[in-house]
Amino acid sequence: DAGITQSPRHKVTETGTPVTLRCHQTENHRYMYWYRQDPGHGLRLIHYSYGVKDTDKGEVSDGYSVSRSKTEDFLLTLESATSSQTSVYFCAIRGQGSYNEQFFGPGTRLTVL
Amino acid sequence: QQQVKQSPQSLIVQKGGISIINCAYENTAFDYFPWYQQFPGKGPALLIAIRPDVSEKKEGRFTISFNKSAKQFSLHIMDSQPGDSATYFCAASITGANSKLTFGKGITLSVRP
Repeated sequence: DAGITQSPRHKVTETGTPVTLRCHQTENHRYMYWYRQDPGHGLRLIHYSYGVKDTDKGEVSDGYSVSRSKTEDFLLTLESATSSQTSVYFCAIRGQGSYNEQFFGPGTRLTVL
Repeated sequence: QQQVKQSPQSLIVQKGGISIINCAYENTAFDYFPWYQQFPGKGPALLIAIRPDVSEKKEGRFTISFNKSAKQFSLHIMDSQPGDSATYFCAASITGANSKLTFGKGITLSVRP
C-alpha cells in the first residue's frame, strides 16, 4: 500500500457542510494526488501537489481545495459539499522512479445527502 | 475529448482462457503506459507498465503488447483465474516533472469458474 493511509474511510454528510479528507504517507514522496472515482468516468484527477505548499489543479478541481503544509499530509477540502461530490476519493503518491508510477491509498467513500 | 479509450466495456472469460483488454490513446507524446487492477473496496494497484521503446512486456501471466503506429496497447491475461476478476484501468502519461496520469474509464473482467 506504499505507506498511504486515508481518513476517514467512510463519511456521510449533508449538502452545504464543509468536509476535509486526509491523506498521509510515510515514505517522504514529493508528489501526491487526489482523484475521484465514479461509475462510467474512471479515475479523474482533482488536484495534485509537487511539494510542500506547491499544488496545482487537475481536470475536475471546481468545488475542491487542497493544502499541503507537511510532506506527509495532503488534505482535500470540500468547502460546501454538494450531492454531485458523492464519490470515492483516492489519494496517490508518485514513486521514486523516472516514470509516473503512482501508488494508491485505500480510498474514502463520501456520501453527500 | 477522451484521450485514453478502453474496450470492451466489460468482459466475461472462462477459467483458463485468455483475457484481452485494449486501450487506444490520442496523444503521441505519451511515453508511459501502465495498467492498474482494482478489486471491490480497494484502491487501484499498479499491475504492469510499458514504455514505447519495447513492443511487449511480460510479467507472469500478464503481458502488455504495444503498437506505436496504431496508438494502441493491450493487456493479455493468460490462464485467467476467478481471482483475476476485477476492474482494469489503462493509463498514459508524458514523462516530466509534473506529469499526470490520464486514465481510461475501466473495464470489469469476470472470470467464470
